[in-house]
Amino acid sequence: KAGVTQTPRYLIKTRGQQVTLSCSPISGHRSVSWYQQTPGQGLQFLFEYFSETQRNKGNFPGRFSGRQFSNSRSEMNVSTLELGDSALYLCASSTPGLAGGDTQYFGPGTRLTVL
Amino acid sequence: DQQVKQNSPSLSVQEGRISILNCDYTNSMFDYFLWYKKYPAEGPTFLISISSIKDKNEDGRFTVFLNKSAKHLSLHIVPSQPGDSAVYFCAASGFQGAQKLVFGQGTRLTINP
Repeated sequence: KAGVTQTPRYLIKTRGQQVTLSCSPISGHRSVSWYQQTPGQGLQFLFEYFSETQRNKGNFPGRFSGRQFSNSRSEMNVSTLELGDSALYLCASSTPGLAGGDTQYFGPGTRLTVL
Repeated sequence: DQQVKQNSPSLSVQEGRISILNCDYTNSMFDYFLWYKKYPAEGPTFLISISSIKDKNEDGRFTVFLNKSAKHLSLHIVPSQPGDSAVYFCAASGFQGAQKLVFGQGTRLTINP
């Protein structure tokens, strides 16, 4: 099976702009979670989508949003970018509810740089 | 409040010896624990997991031990190989939906030839 894919891999934006990141989960996986990794805060949970519905949300401002499509692909959007949003954004997919399905498998990430 | 802690930022081990990485957690509602390996600018790679109903899980060179009373888990790598050099993260989930992982800060493991 192909792994989790994320596009684009690298992105440079300026403050105030908005950005959309995309994630395609492993085939058959219905849950997609997003994480932010920064040197200061480590890996932090953003939100999780399952069957096109947001099920869990982390402690991030409303500028961070996401959605999931019927084919389980997911996008996350960050509006009004700030310098502190520079990070590696990771997507993970899983099959909760199935035996062994709680393990999340991560994509390669999108490196966002805000200037 | 850091719910998952890896108190050793780095660890250096000689090739062929055992590597032991430690992780402590504070929330007793966590019921599923995972270890990931990560290289810079890449996504974490799943290594091994353990459910709270077990105290040990083994997969090849990797063994995870869980001590629920101490809220402590450890990852043993035997024998250690140069390719094991990476940052290792422990993660926990369970109390706010199984798909919300709480990560430790990571331990950088260096295997010396």
